[in-house]
Amino acid sequence: NAGVTQTPKFQVLKTGQSMTLQCAQDMNHNSMYWYRQDPGMGLRLIYYSASEGTTDKGEVPNGYNVSRLNKREFSLRLESAAPSQTSVYFCAIEWGTFSSYNSPLHFGNGTRLTVT
Amino acid sequence: AQSVAQPEDQVNVAEGNPLTVKCTYSVSGNPYLFWYVQYPNRGLQFLLKYITGDNLVKGSYGFEAEFNKSQTSFHLKKPSALVSDSALYFCAVRRDSGYSTLTFGKGTMLLVSP
Repeated sequence: NAGVTQTPKFQVLKTGQSMTLQCAQDMNHNSMYWYRQDPGMGLRLIYYSASEGTTDKGEVPNGYNVSRLNKREFSLRLESAAPSQTSVYFCAIEWGTFSSYNSPLHFGNGTRLTVT
Repeated sequence: AQSVAQPEDQVNVAEGNPLTVKCTYSVSGNPYLFWYVQYPNRGLQFLLKYITGDNLVKGSYGFEAEFNKSQTSFHLKKPSALVSDSALYFCAVRRDSGYSTLTFGKGTMLLVSP
């Protein structure tokens, strides 16, 4: 999806290993989000960043940390991976400012993570 | 708290027939409502949104959605389904004021048969 780049596309980790998922946008939008998608559970918000320098917890933040490195980049870190974190992770950006509320989200193509 | 219910895990329809994918929501205050579509191994793509005004919203690829405030519903519709419409569809809601992030439903798989 144009404008949101996620790396890597696939990753396999062993329990206890750490990794960072990267997300970069090229459209200079303020708000960025990390979601996880699990079968039958839809998308659940992990963390979000309304603007550069701020981050907030979403619905399922446990086991994750985030960094809003600059306006373009928002990374998600798993310090000690667990099998329950096996999922597809999506980064999204929001057109306009966080206060718009009616702006749609634009998603990257996801990172498929397996923890064994 | 806000929530979205998509009561059908899967909807089956024959090509050329009309389709409906159901969504009901709960939010304090007035809602902003969205539909997204996901094709295999891709991220979600925005289809349409309701903010205010006309209860019938038109979006991409011939889709439309009808907002019904009394029934707190926002059903996705298309007059004539295509095989290429087969995908996973998500409804989402946020409130129209104050702090709010987007809450998604669990998704409905639409299968259109030739």
